[in-house]
Amino acid sequence: DAKTTQPTSMDCAEGRAANLPCNHSTISGNEYVYWYRQIHSQGPQYIIHGLKNNETNEMASLIITEDRKSSTLILPHATLRDTAVYYCIAADNDMRFGAGTRLTVKP
Amino acid sequence: GAVVSQHPSWVICKSGTSVKIECRSLDFQATTMFWYRQFPKQSLMLMATSNEGSKATYEQGVEKDKFLINHASLTLSTLTVTSAHPEDSSFYICTLAGGNLDEQFFGPGTRLTVL
Repeated sequence: DAKTTQPTSMDCAEGRAANLPCNHSTISGNEYVYWYRQIHSQGPQYIIHGLKNNETNEMASLIITEDRKSSTLILPHATLRDTAVYYCIAADNDMRFGAGTRLTVKP
Repeated sequence: GAVVSQHPSWVICKSGTSVKIECRSLDFQATTMFWYRQFPKQSLMLMATSNEGSKATYEQGVEKDKFLINHASLTLSTLTVTSAHPEDSSFYICTLAGGNLDEQFFGPGTRLTVL
């Protein structure tokens, strides 16, 4: 798996968009970018994944740069329940988690 | 997505005993299962990968004789922590995967506390 780099923590105001960056400059051609989140003491929750095109689902949008060396997860209208640790993973075979970004959504 | 269950969700045991954790898919046939552990305030660490019908592949530093993995069927995998010690206290999480990582589903985790 390619190494990913994320900010340790971020804050976001409730109702605003949360933009979480991820750097994966050594990503290989067959590795997808996955985003998961983990709320305290629970198993990780799948959010979204993509290869090179931008993706959107009911939870979030994923923007991948053209060179695929970085990506941004966008939560369009953050709520207090989105407070969690967000993990960005570049993988093709097994998933290895980095430290993630602790997102705190504040009222 | 698939529903994955783990049993037990929380276990406390004495040092030296063995603990078995079950990971079960209720509606998905998984060819591959992954086991992770997570120490407090740390990220998930991949322990091993198992494919149905074959032996598990362990990550470096994970003792295969201590953490026994049995991928019994396409819907069940078990992790047995043998002769558990306090340093094995952790949050153990399984995931099930289909043919590719596009279909990977995490269990809710099992919290093991060894006294």
